[in-house]
Order: sequence, then C-alpha cells, then structure tokens
Amino acid sequence: NAGVMQNPRHLVRRRGQEARLRCSPMKGHSHVYWYRQLPEEGLKFMVYLQKENIIDESGMPKERFSAEFPKEGPSILRIQQVVRGDSAAYFCASSEAFDTGELFFGEGSRLTVL
Amino acid sequence: AQTVTQSQPEMSVQEAETVTLSCTYDTSESDYYLFWYKQPPSRQMILVIRQEAYKQQNATENRFSVNFQKAAKSFSLKISDSQLGDAAMYFCAWTRGSTGFQKLVFGTGTRLLVSP
Repeated sequence: NAGVMQNPRHLVRRRGQEARLRCSPMKGHSHVYWYRQLPEEGLKFMVYLQKENIIDESGMPKERFSAEFPKEGPSILRIQQVVRGDSAAYFCASSEAFDTGELFFGEGSRLTVL
Repeated sequence: AQTVTQSQPEMSVQEAETVTLSCTYDTSESDYYLFWYKQPPSRQMILVIRQEAYKQQNATENRFSVNFQKAAKSFSLKISDSQLGDAAMYFCAWTRGSTGFQKLVFGTGTRLLVSP
C-alpha cells in the first residue's frame, strides 16, 4: 500500500512565477492536510480538505495561496506570484477517519524561490 | 492560542543509553491529544507515540515512552536503549480533541544526535 505521495520533491521558481504542489493521499483516505515548514521551525497547519470541500483554511495566507482536492486526482496546493518568503518545505498528510486517527505524512515538497 | 514549547534545540546520547526530550504546552482545552513525531533526514514525519489527555496511563511504544503530567502541562519523551537510527528531529505536537480532525500545533523540534 503506497504511502502519501508528493511531487515534485524539489521545485525552484523565480519570484512572480506560480508553484503547484501535488499530493496523492494513501489509498482509502479522503482527508488531506497541508502543512508548511520554514527553516529551523516546526510544521504549521495551512489547510484541511475533504473530497471537493475545503473544511478549514485558517492557516493559509489569504492571498496567492489556494488548495483543492477534486473528486478525481490529487490534492493541489497552488502558490501564485511566489516571493522569497514562500521558500519552505510543504508537507501533505492524509487520514482515513474524521476523528483523531493517525495522520500519515508525505516526504514533502521543498520550494525554493530565487 | 495553543502553544507547544520544546526548550532543547539539540540533545546527544550514546548508543544503548536513555535520553529524555522535553515538551511543555499551553492550552485551556480539557479534551486534546499529544504526539511525538520523528523527522529523519528524509524529512518524512513519522508518528512515534500519541497520548489522549483523558488517559492517565502513560503511552508506551516499544523503546519509546512518555511522561504525561497533565497538571504541569508537560509531555516528555523517553527513548530507551538508543540506536543510531533514532538520530533525527523530534517534534512534539498538540491537537484539540473535539475538533474532529488533526489540526496539529507543533513545537520547534529537538535534534537528537546518537553516537556509537
């Protein structure tokens, strides 16, 4: 059973470009979470999605950032007009249940903005 | 707002020895969960152990155990018989129990070094 798959693992963008990060949850999981890790810091919650619904986006910047989890296909975190401060590791996690069951994390996507 | 504090940026231990990583948290909630995650160089976050706040008994997973002091809001991780593969960043995390999903609040982490 494959784990949470994220791609790309590394992404380099110049300021002003768009970054798209993809996450395929574990098989059977319909709950997806995105977290961001800045250098030397812990992970910070960004957004929680279920299929076709954003449940909680309280940790996501209001501008330039968006997330989706369509009925078919992976969840996508999209960052428009990237700035240097967006450079970070972005982690996706999935869970099977709505309660506090285990979260399974992917290996993260490291975004570098030049 | 809930906060999680890990006051030890780095800890060292020798193989086969025991080490304790500290974590304190601040919350006014009564229903919550606490976790320890391991982040090896591959960067994937791996759940080490979890504790439900309503359980008085400390959680244990093989060589890993916690000392959960609810009144003191302390949640330390003890690693016994340390192995080279235990070297990693360790993050303490908190989530509200009633929320129904894992909106985790993480500490800043402790880097564990293991020497032969």
